[in-house]
Amino acid sequence: GAVVSQHPSWVICKSGTSVKIECRSLDFQATTMFWYRQFPKQSLMLMATSNEGSKATYEQGVEKDKFLINHASLTLSTLTVTSAHPEDSSFYICTLLGGAREQYFGPGTRLTVT
Amino acid sequence: GENVEQHPSTLSVQEGDSAVIKCTYSDSASNYFPWYKQELGKRPQLIIDIRSNVGEKKDQRIAVTLNKTAKHFSLHITETQPEDSAVYFCAASGGSNYKLTFGKGTLLTVNP
Repeated sequence: GAVVSQHPSWVICKSGTSVKIECRSLDFQATTMFWYRQFPKQSLMLMATSNEGSKATYEQGVEKDKFLINHASLTLSTLTVTSAHPEDSSFYICTLLGGAREQYFGPGTRLTVT
Repeated sequence: GENVEQHPSTLSVQEGDSAVIKCTYSDSASNYFPWYKQELGKRPQLIIDIRSNVGEKKDQRIAVTLNKTAKHFSLHITETQPEDSAVYFCAASGGSNYKLTFGKGTLLTVNP
């Protein structure tokens, strides 16, 4: 299957600052990628669908001006959490859509906002 | 949109016993149903999946069944081992957007 990397694997930032998370497809042309958020002891919730070369589609309740997604190439999608607050602390996971509609998961990024 | 319900939320079994986790979905257009195992602090790992044109799929100790009429699907783990202990998530996907909707998860504990 496809190999997906995320950077950083963990990050601690101060409240009010912005954090950028990178999601890279190492061996697959990722036309479509997804961003999920997982709070402790909870399930994965889809935040947005990221399509290469076009604007992301955000799920209901997800602020597009707070969670900026850029998917400018077939190998890279980025999620920027702007003006982060403690309630944004979570595990952020990207996936890429494979040819048979399976999703390949990145290793996740643990964000802690102090 | 799609809604996936998963039961039970916790499941404790003795080593060697079988474990069954059940999920229901709401959108009749869903046609892809994966199951994931997630260990603490790690990404979910696909353990088995089934598509709507198949009623059952098996891979060694793991099997999944799908009843499209009733809109439910189940994960069966036989001869459980302590290393099977983890959180298991079901998910459903369908239509043109391919996005996954996850169940709330089941914490499986296999006692030695």
